[in-house]
Amino acid sequence: GESVGLHLPTLSVQEGDNSIINCAYSNSASDYFIWYKQESGKGPQFIIDIRSNMDKRQGQRVTVLLNKTVKHLSLQIAATQPGDSAVYFCAENGDDYKLSFGAGTTVTVRA
Amino acid sequence: DADVTQTPRNRITKTGKRIMLECSQTKGHDRMYWYRQDPGLGLRLIYYSFDVKDINKGEISDGYSVSRQAQAKFSLSLESAIPNQTALYFCATSDRTAQETQYFGPGTRLLVL
Repeated sequence: GESVGLHLPTLSVQEGDNSIINCAYSNSASDYFIWYKQESGKGPQFIIDIRSNMDKRQGQRVTVLLNKTVKHLSLQIAATQPGDSAVYFCAENGDDYKLSFGAGTTVTVRA
Repeated sequence: DADVTQTPRNRITKTGKRIMLECSQTKGHDRMYWYRQDPGLGLRLIYYSFDVKDINKGEISDGYSVSRQAQAKFSLSLESAIPNQTALYFCATSDRTAQETQYFGPGTRLLVL
């Protein structure tokens, strides 16, 4: 079936380094993608989104890249901070504006 | 997001009991969703509602029911709770006029004994 997934379940990064979190999707009809951050004990929080007519979008310290050719999405976090430790989910829009979520990548920032 | 609230935040119940989880939002959004989250499985859609008169099943609706009492309120019921319904439950909302970004509540942690 069609699904959204992340390449790695965990990522450990040194504070101050850049983080790259990857996501592969298989629904070629999806035209909207979102990255969410979920901290322990909290609900997912919107980080950044991108439409399929774009390849790149930047926010504050975050950049999302979309490669439609290989159905790949990535989230880059610049100068990773301890507060960036969380689980990160990518999501794609499915039918009728429903979102499909990947299993998540747990990011741990080392001091 | 403080604009989406869920009650209770934690609940312990016994097998066979009926329980209700409630969600309220002050964002003025038309669309509301219920998800469950299990370790390693991400978020799975239980039910969703695009307006007060619209209710739709998601991918894992068996054992659950919902009620959209008003635009701002969407409740999830477990008619007869079973242990494999132990999970984190999230409510979310979205605005039909602002793409499909969904905003989540803080979650309800449910334990069924």
